[in-house]
Amino acid sequence: DTGVSQDPRHKITKRGQNVTFRCDPISEHNRLYWYRQTLGQGPEFLTYFQNEAQLEKSRLLSDRFSAERPKGSFSTLEIQRTEQGDSAMYLCAREDRDNTGELFFGEGSRLTVL
Amino acid sequence: AQSVTQLDSQVPVFEEAPVELRCNYSSSVSVYLFWYVQYPNQGLQLLLKYLSGSTLVESINGFEAEFNKSQTSFHLRKPSVHISDTAEYFCAVSESGAGNMLTFGGGTRLMVKP
Repeated sequence: DTGVSQDPRHKITKRGQNVTFRCDPISEHNRLYWYRQTLGQGPEFLTYFQNEAQLEKSRLLSDRFSAERPKGSFSTLEIQRTEQGDSAMYLCAREDRDNTGELFFGEGSRLTVL
Repeated sequence: AQSVTQLDSQVPVFEEAPVELRCNYSSSVSVYLFWYVQYPNQGLQLLLKYLSGSTLVESINGFEAEFNKSQTSFHLRKPSVHISDTAEYFCAVSESGAGNMLTFGGGTRLMVKP
């Protein structure tokens, strides 16, 4: 158990619809990350939070993407007007207590856009 | 900007044979180095990490990796593989002391055959 829960595990949607993913890390970990992994590729960084502050965003995060962490605990990642190119596994991760860069990943939310 | 190159996308090997999965990185600053493993239908798990100190690091299941600063490499090795080692292996780097965003390589699929 990595201490990161993600929901839903799978989402199939039609192009143009909005989707939202949720990530629940165990408490007392102040950094939370979102990554995207497409088939056959390594994970790519999207954004990260320290408590409720979003500190960095990748250029991969277009204006259709928005992430929040309103109370510094759980986080949501919303994709508006989905496109087929958004099909991927969306991974959430928490950092270890010592902030050494080691990340603990959830099992991911797989998005399929038809 | 940092980058990670995994030179082999697939490595087929027979059970009990030795294996080496290659990883090279580029970065202008000090780094932390990681190997993550993704077993079929499972999430990413940390296999081993180099933060500082001894350049040879080991995992609990017999893998080892050596940090070579002059060659900017962090190759993963195992002297005798098992069928259960079949998985996707990802090398990753983060800049020490920074926001700790991991940059991943494209992954190497290790296929262990009986």
